[in-house]
Amino acid sequence: DQQVKQNSPSLSVQEGRISILNCDYTNSMFDYFLWYKKYPAEGPTFLISISSIKDKNEDGRFTVFLNKSAKHLSLHIVPSQPGDSAVYFCAASGGGSNYKLTFGKGTLLTVNP
Amino acid sequence: DSGVTQTPKHLITATGQRVTLRCSPRSGDLSVYWYQQSLDQGLQFLIQYYNGEERAKGNILERFSAQQFPDLHSELNLSSLELGDSALYFCASSPWGGNTEAFFGQGTRLTVV
Repeated sequence: DQQVKQNSPSLSVQEGRISILNCDYTNSMFDYFLWYKKYPAEGPTFLISISSIKDKNEDGRFTVFLNKSAKHLSLHIVPSQPGDSAVYFCAASGGGSNYKLTFGKGTLLTVNP
Repeated sequence: DSGVTQTPKHLITATGQRVTLRCSPRSGDLSVYWYQQSLDQGLQFLIQYYNGEERAKGNILERFSAQQFPDLHSELNLSSLELGDSALYFCASSPWGGNTEAFFGQGTRLTVV
């Protein structure tokens, strides 16, 4: 039972354009959402998070949008840069006293020069 | 550098053997998480410790066990190893056990032959 789903295994965009990575979740108890970036042979690196009391959070080129009614979140990267090429994981936590992060399977983003 | 240190980086062992993976969390972080990433899989949560006590358990096999010591470092013990246990094992830490970003180590790549 996959509670966090990233339905696009890969995404390719041109440098300078917008990258939009999507994530859906099924557990309505989730109340905190995060995006991680992972390069090969490295651990995941935290990018940006959003609490369920918000619908948008920005940090530089990265913006996360949360649509609670649709149980959907997205990560926008503008403008995309070749160094952004990596696997992006969506994660969620919350629900009682259980704060473990539940991850999606990831989306490989390739930004072409 | 996330501040989370995992040793060893690589481990090759035979089926039936037992190994111990070690994790030193970021300075001041009380919570430690262990995740497994197999081929084509996302990050699967194994277990969480908070200030020395087990806080949450995921799909961790009975052959696997973990503990967090008074100095807050953690060890993941894998025994009676099978070929299917070959994976990347990540440790992450966070300041407390609540909704917050976790910082990941570089992982230990375990190969069972």
